[in-house]
Amino acid sequence: QQQVKQSPQSLIVQKGGISIINCAYENTAFDYFPWYQQFPGKGPALLIAIRPDVSEKKEGRFTISFNKSAKQFSLHIMDSQPGDSATYFCAATYNNNDMRFGAGTRLTVKP
Amino acid sequence: DAGITQSPRHKVTETGTPVTLRCHQTENHRYMYWYRQDPGHGLRLIHYSYGVKDTDKGEVSDGYSVSRSKTEDFLLTLESATSSQTSVYFCATGQTPNYGYTFGSGTRLTVV
Repeated sequence: QQQVKQSPQSLIVQKGGISIINCAYENTAFDYFPWYQQFPGKGPALLIAIRPDVSEKKEGRFTISFNKSAKQFSLHIMDSQPGDSATYFCAATYNNNDMRFGAGTRLTVKP
Repeated sequence: DAGITQSPRHKVTETGTPVTLRCHQTENHRYMYWYRQDPGHGLRLIHYSYGVKDTDKGEVSDGYSVSRSKTEDFLLTLESATSSQTSVYFCATGQTPNYGYTFGSGTRLTVV
């Protein structure tokens, strides 16, 4: 049972464009929603995270938008750069040691 | 990745043999996790530990066991490896369950 559904599976964006990755969750008890960035041969690294008491969080070029009523959240990468090319995972948890991950999105930013 | 070391980084083993993967942390984090990563599935939790000798099962625990005798070490054992356990295994640590994790660089295991 996949509790966090992520789309698209892959995404190609031109340099300078906006990358958007979407996730939907089922469990309304989730209260922490992180995004991880993974480069080939490396482990995932925490990129940005949000809690459901806010609708948006921005850190540099990365923004999470959160829609509690729709049970959806998304990652926006502004001014995408070739160095942003990586696999991105959304995740969700509720303080129970069982963080659930989406299937991942492979982002390619073309120069 | 800083503070978390996984060993070995790569391993090829035969079906039916036991395999142990090691995770060593210098973060002094209470919580430690073992995940497996497979295409189309993201990361799935195998087992986790919430303290020395305190462990519990995750989503895909069948065929795996874990042990934690010291705060810094968390071992994952495949009791009798099968081809379906071919995967990339990641160890992660956390200060609390409801916060971001720090991941190791992974172990690529191939069962032939």
